[in-house]
Amino acid sequence: SQQGEEDPQALSIQEGENATMNCSYKTSINNLQWYRQNSGRGLVHLILIRSNEREKHSGRLRVTLDTSKKSSSLLITASRAADTASYFCASWSGAQKLVFGQGTRLTINP
Amino acid sequence: DTGVSQNPRHKITKRGQNVTFRCDPISEHNRLYWYRQTLGQGPEFLTYFQNEAQLEKSRLLSDRFSAERPKGSFSTLEIQRTEQGDSAMYLCASSLDGFTEAFFGQGTRLTVV
Repeated sequence: SQQGEEDPQALSIQEGENATMNCSYKTSINNLQWYRQNSGRGLVHLILIRSNEREKHSGRLRVTLDTSKKSSSLLITASRAADTASYFCASWSGAQKLVFGQGTRLTINP
Repeated sequence: DTGVSQNPRHKITKRGQNVTFRCDPISEHNRLYWYRQTLGQGPEFLTYFQNEAQLEKSRLLSDRFSAERPKGSFSTLEIQRTEQGDSAMYLCASSLDGFTEAFFGQGTRLTVV
């Protein structure tokens, strides 16, 4: 069963623009994690935001968390061609396993 | 390299053959997870270990699949009598516990012909 669902499923923007992806989840969480996956590769951990945090930054990444709406967003500022990838949110289900959504496929056009 | 390591990176096998994948987690991580991912989908949970104990198995894990983590270190995932539907990326991850960051390996891409 999916815990997180990303929106949109696909996003295509011009290099230099900002990209925003959203994630909704179903049950209460301790934290939420975002991952990046380049085509045919493993998942790279980007950021973890805890349930008592509302916003977190890492370089060009900004993640927000709204526990009342059970949603999170990932903003990538000043996008680059190298940001082209799939992005997934994931949260712990019962502190036993990470459950992922379907992901957002981001394409940065030069 | 202190990250999660998976071998092999690619495996092509004939239908009906057995295959085994290996995962070496980050050394101090107690938890080890196996996921399967097909094209265009998110990773699907298969099973996880707390040290050497296998604590949960997904219904996706048929009787042809078995995983071990002897001595709580590396883990192996074996698929017996492979089927074309087993073709996927098999991902391994490790974490300290069920509350912190989980880190993934590069995956093993299995193609069953």
